[in-house]
Amino acid sequence: AQSVSQHNHHVILSEAASLELGCNYSYGGTVNLFWYVQYPGQHLQLLLKYFSGDPLVKGIKGFEAEFIKSKFSFNLRKPSVQWSDTAEYFCAVTASGNTGKLIFGQGTTLQVKP
Amino acid sequence: GAVVSQHPSWVICKSGTSVKIECRSLDFQATTMFWYRQFPKQSLMLMATSNEGSKATYEQGVEKDKFLINHASLTLSTLTVTSAHPEDSSFYICSARDSPGQGVSGYTFGSGTRLTVV
Repeated sequence: AQSVSQHNHHVILSEAASLELGCNYSYGGTVNLFWYVQYPGQHLQLLLKYFSGDPLVKGIKGFEAEFIKSKFSFNLRKPSVQWSDTAEYFCAVTASGNTGKLIFGQGTTLQVKP
Repeated sequence: GAVVSQHPSWVICKSGTSVKIECRSLDFQATTMFWYRQFPKQSLMLMATSNEGSKATYEQGVEKDKFLINHASLTLSTLTVTSAHPEDSSFYICSARDSPGQGVSGYTFGSGTRLTVV
């Protein structure tokens, strides 16, 4: 069965620091990859998604992610974080042919100190 | 953009009673919806896939008789927690695909329902 693993459970950064959150998945076939953000008390919002094409995907709020097929990875990056980026971040994967169900990683709590 | 409305946003019920949660796609048709459960500080665990006009597909370990799912129309799926107990207290979230007939597209999430069973 497909699974998603996020290596960093809790990350604390100062404002303007660079961010990279790891995400690895286990599935040998074609996948579609997503990063979602959940701000405190709010619902999930899509940051970016990868379906095909350029493996470097740019999303909202200055986030980007790179799909490296050989490493089964889809790491999220931001060059300079802001206090407002404090939130929970989830990587998610759906595999072709599995009815489209989205499987989430464990999530990473990002705390940005002003 | 696509919007999914989920109600109620929070509910408190007594142990042994049943609670129904609604998930509506407001401006698109969703033949497939998904129900998730999220414990505090944890990830979203997929409970079941709701298919319009047919039985839901439950994930391993999810009791289908406890969590009844009905997807009677292209815009509405309901999750009923039957005979709720305190251990069912959680955050329940629904999600809908907005273009299921065209391969993977976007997923839109409801705002979630906080269920507390006392």
